[in-house]
Amino acid sequence: RKEVEQDPGPFNVPEGATVAFNCTYSNSASQSFFWYRQDCRKEPKLLMSVYSSGNEDGRFTAQLNRASQYISLLIRDSKLSDSATYLCVPYQGGKLIFGQGTELSVKP
Amino acid sequence: GAVVSQHPSWVICKSGTSVKIECRSLDFQATTMFWYRQFPKQSLMLMATSNEGSKATYEQGVEKDKFLINHASLTLSTLTVTSAHPEDSSFYICSAISTSGPYNEQFFGPGTRLTVL
Repeated sequence: RKEVEQDPGPFNVPEGATVAFNCTYSNSASQSFFWYRQDCRKEPKLLMSVYSSGNEDGRFTAQLNRASQYISLLIRDSKLSDSATYLCVPYQGGKLIFGQGTELSVKP
Repeated sequence: GAVVSQHPSWVICKSGTSVKIECRSLDFQATTMFWYRQFPKQSLMLMATSNEGSKATYEQGVEKDKFLINHASLTLSTLTVTSAHPEDSSFYICSAISTSGPYNEQFFGPGTRLTVL
């Protein structure tokens, strides 16, 4: 079983749509969780941390369910600039463990 | 946020040659840096953890004699791909931990695209 599994994608959505990404992780000892975004041929950039109580940053909402070992990211009112690959990243044992990512393409 | 640079940003080399990639933390000191490799359409895979003043810790399956890591100062780590072959062609990304913020965030360099002919 992969350490991190994400929706395979790609997701093609119109501007203004709401889109949700799902992620499961296998190691229950994971301490922290993050969502990164990666643009084509660029390095990943931290989008947001994920807290147990759920957290929101503008149009982005992240949720964590430790019992189910499940993480989600919701993007509301999608913009063209949201087009990227979204990476689910647990932190465990001093290392970031990257999922393969879910590609999002927002169309006009 | 903190800035990490990599040099070169891209390199093309012949099979059998060695290539050195530099990773620098520009405005903070980093006792720990990480080296990742990413093949097209795949996730970032951690290759090794680089600790200033000591030997790097390599992940399972990564040949330490092929991928030489040196972390000689608090702002510089280098990765040398020795005797490169076409299968080593990949996107190599480094990151550095900054301890100055509320938590130990990793900041990523812009990556180095290696093509081995």
